[in-house]
Amino acid sequence: AQKITQTQPGMFVQEKEAVTLDCTYDTSDPSYGLFWYKQPSSGEMIFLIYQGSYDQQNATEGRYSLNFQKARKSANLVISASQLGDSAMYFCAMSLDNFNKFYFGSGTKLNVKP
Amino acid sequence: EPEVTQTPSHQVTQMGQEVILRCVPISNHLYFYWYRQILGQKVEFLVSFYNNEISEKSEIFDDQFSVERPDGSNFTLKIRSTKLEDSAMYFCASQQGMVFKNIQYFGAGTRLSVL
Repeated sequence: AQKITQTQPGMFVQEKEAVTLDCTYDTSDPSYGLFWYKQPSSGEMIFLIYQGSYDQQNATEGRYSLNFQKARKSANLVISASQLGDSAMYFCAMSLDNFNKFYFGSGTKLNVKP
Repeated sequence: EPEVTQTPSHQVTQMGQEVILRCVPISNHLYFYWYRQILGQKVEFLVSFYNNEISEKSEIFDDQFSVERPDGSNFTLKIRSTKLEDSAMYFCASQQGMVFKNIQYFGAGTRLSVL
């Protein structure tokens, strides 16, 4: 069965510091995609970054980067230079080749302190 | 920038009543999804929809639930007889095509409160 695990229910980071949010996944499918979404207190789900299982390089999108370690089945999100507006829930999600539904982790609540 | 639009943002209903949650996906997208998030829990897949039919549904998506794309723009989720445990945030998502790099874009959600 497919599974996404986020072991950090809550994290604090000082403004302007970098923070890593952990995500591990479990699948026997060789082909999959990994996604991170941000959910502010207003509730919407905002796409941040994508990593494909066959991608050789770690994905980056502005201040977001994904530390993809395939052998360890981890896909950690790194946010550099944290801003107050980064305070939100962050969800890791996975989709598989033949079934495009997303499997979500339980989320990490990030608080950025001024 | 194109976005997925969901209405209403909040729906309050009495147990046993029917509700229809509405979504307008991004216009050139072909795959549509409903997810729900019970307060404090993870987001769960309900159903996927392609080419005017359900392509996959979860065990949550029982006979009380139905989806429809009544015209070229709207995508609806109907709950026939709501239960207290249906109280959740419901997200609609759309995706351009069935390849990995096609991201699912989510709407802002409808918070359903069943009293």
